[in-house]
Amino acid sequence: DVKVTQSSRYLVKRTGEKVFLECVQDMDHENMFWYRQDPGLGLRLIYFSYDVKMKEKGDIPEGYSVSREKKERFSLILESASTNQTSMYLCASSPETSRQFFGPGTRLTVL
Amino acid sequence: AQSVTQPDIHITVSEGASLELRCNYSYGATPYLFWYVQSPGQGLQLLLKYFSGDTLVQGIKGFEAEFKRSQSSFNLRKPSVHWSDAAEYFCAVGGRPGRRALTFGSGTRLQVQP
Repeated sequence: DVKVTQSSRYLVKRTGEKVFLECVQDMDHENMFWYRQDPGLGLRLIYFSYDVKMKEKGDIPEGYSVSREKKERFSLILESASTNQTSMYLCASSPETSRQFFGPGTRLTVL
Repeated sequence: AQSVTQPDIHITVSEGASLELRCNYSYGATPYLFWYVQSPGQGLQLLLKYFSGDTLVQGIKGFEAEFKRSQSSFNLRKPSVHWSDAAEYFCAVGGRPGRRALTFGSGTRLQVQP
């Protein structure tokens, strides 16, 4: 089975802190994705990566950056966390252009 | 641009009753369509997908969905709901060349009454 793991299930940070969310997949997938999930809004794409060191902005990239130094790892960075970034963050990976495998999510609270 | 609409935010059904969750999409070409389920505290799990061919797609846990191009719909159905089906369901569309990510609907939360 494909396994996508996220470094934390729950995270509490303060406004202005730099936050790192880590995602690791074990199936050698080229594509990796970061979404945020908010009630009534579904999942919205923040960034995705289709190769090592390659990245593309999604629909809501403002306030976020990403890093992909190794194929199996995709990091989401909040340079200066704000309260409106309190959300559930979901990582996914995909071997092709469509079907995606999701991690369990990280619930981030910014105080 | 591609988009997905799930018009029902919340649905309640009795255990054993039939279920239909609605999904409408907007897409410029033949879409790839998906239904995912998210149980409380869990990640998203793929229920079924449509890429091409037979428009009635069977998935896991007894779910099925029908692709209707004329109505731009991909509704999810189950003939008899179990209490364990209580979860949030997301419809998604993808496959546009150059865009590798999926576009998700806002989700439908299913509650199952005993």
